[in-house]
Amino acid sequence: DIQMTQSPSSVSASVGDRVTITCRASQGITTWLSWYQQRPGKAPKLLIYEASNLQSGVPSRFSGSGSGTDFTLTISSLQPEDFATYYCQQADSSPFTFGPGTRVDMK
Amino acid sequence: QVQLQESGPGLLRPSQTLSLTCTVSGGSISRGSYFWSWVRQPAGKGLEWIGRVFISGDTNYNPSLKSRLTMSVDTSKNQFSLQLTSVTAADTAVYYCARESVAVAGLDLWGQGTLVTVSS
Repeated sequence: DIQMTQSPSSVSASVGDRVTITCRASQGITTWLSWYQQRPGKAPKLLIYEASNLQSGVPSRFSGSGSGTDFTLTISSLQPEDFATYYCQQADSSPFTFGPGTRVDMK
Repeated sequence: QVQLQESGPGLLRPSQTLSLTCTVSGGSISRGSYFWSWVRQPAGKGLEWIGRVFISGDTNYNPSLKSRLTMSVDTSKNQFSLQLTSVTAADTAVYYCARESVAVAGLDLWGQGTLVTVSS
C-alpha cells in the first residue's frame, strides 16, 4: 500500500494568512493526488484533483502543486470558512489511501 | 442535482453483518463513467478508503477489509451497497458513500454519512 503523510498535523492561523500544507507519498504517484476539506460534522469536499486542478465551484484562493512524491496545498488568504481539516488522497493505486489530515484552526 | 444518501442500521452486535445502501437521486447511476465508493471515519480520526464498485460490477477493495467485504450496484433501484461481515467494535465509524468520476479522479460527490456503532 502507498502510505501518505501530511505536515503539519495542525496549524494555527489568522484570517488573511497564507497557509501551506504538505503531503508526501511513500512512492511516486505522478500527479494522482486529491485534496479534501472537511468541516466538523460534515462530509469531506473535493478541492483539488490531479494535484493542481481546481474542482468546479472551489474558490481560487485554493491551489495545489507537486508531482511524484511531494505535494502542496496552499490557501492564499485564509477566510473564516476555511477553518477545517484538510486531507490528501492518492489516486494512483488501490487502496486509495488518505493522509492523516491537517487541522487549520484559529490563532 | 445528483445527491447521495446512505441508509442502514445504526447499531449492530459484534459478529453481525453490516449492510449499507446508498441511494442516488437526481440522476441515473448508470449514466456516465463513475466509480461508486465507500469511505469511513471513526470518531475523531481520519478517513479510510473502503472500496469502490463500477457499474459493470467490477470492484476494488481495501485489502485490510477484503475478506469481509462485498460491494454491488442495483441499477433498477439506482442504488449501490456495501456488506461487511463479522463486524467488531473496530468497525464503528461514520460511513460515507461517494462518487468518483473517471474524468476527475477524485471523490467529487459525497453523502452526508451514517453512523454505525458496533456494541454488545
